[in-house]
Amino acid sequence: TAGITQAPTSQILAAGRSMTLRCTQDMRHNAMYWYRQDLGLGLRLIHYSNTAGTTGKGEVPDGYSVSRANTDDFPLTLASAVPSQTSVYFCASSGTSGAGANVLTFGAGSRLTVL
Amino acid sequence: GQNIDQPTEMTATEGAIVQINCTYQTSGFNGLFWYQQHAGEAPTFLSYNVLDGLEEKGRFSSFLSRSKGYSYLLLKELQMKDSASYLCAVRDSNYQLIWGAGTKLIIKP
Repeated sequence: TAGITQAPTSQILAAGRSMTLRCTQDMRHNAMYWYRQDLGLGLRLIHYSNTAGTTGKGEVPDGYSVSRANTDDFPLTLASAVPSQTSVYFCASSGTSGAGANVLTFGAGSRLTVL
Repeated sequence: GQNIDQPTEMTATEGAIVQINCTYQTSGFNGLFWYQQHAGEAPTFLSYNVLDGLEEKGRFSSFLSRSKGYSYLLLKELQMKDSASYLCAVRDSNYQLIWGAGTKLIIKP
């Protein structure tokens, strides 16, 4: 089934440890995004990439890094996790022109708990 | 600052009609989106409005008034499976999406 695959589905992580959340899409979308979703708040953009080889900072980028070596993959890394990074993380992708621009397709999410 | 306001929670009865409102204040406007998110799942796209007026898609309709910074999502003939959160998002002048916190809709038999 075409779409976005995220891994892991859930993870418990000790504070100070590093972690990479994986995201792969097979829709050949140019743009990819990482969001976090916390209770009572809207989705907040962490980092984005408009095309392979480029990345940009979103609303809440501190403590996170991304890379976009190819069209399909967009991993999110937490170099040294802190409890405030406990959240549900969604990867998403979209086309970058016309009516498809910003119509996001989301992955199933990765629930991260930092203790 | 930029702001999207939606009611936190609404309750409706199966078979009825419900209207979920969204007001926004953003730096520029390049479209408004509604997404549905079932508990524990990913958001899925419902509708897109860029011009004033009503867009109808089956049981769901979305309305936009740009002059009032206002939109609503109308759900008709409610079914139990419509129990979900409904997220309003606005694309601003930089083509970035600004998200509301979502409205949790509870459907009762």
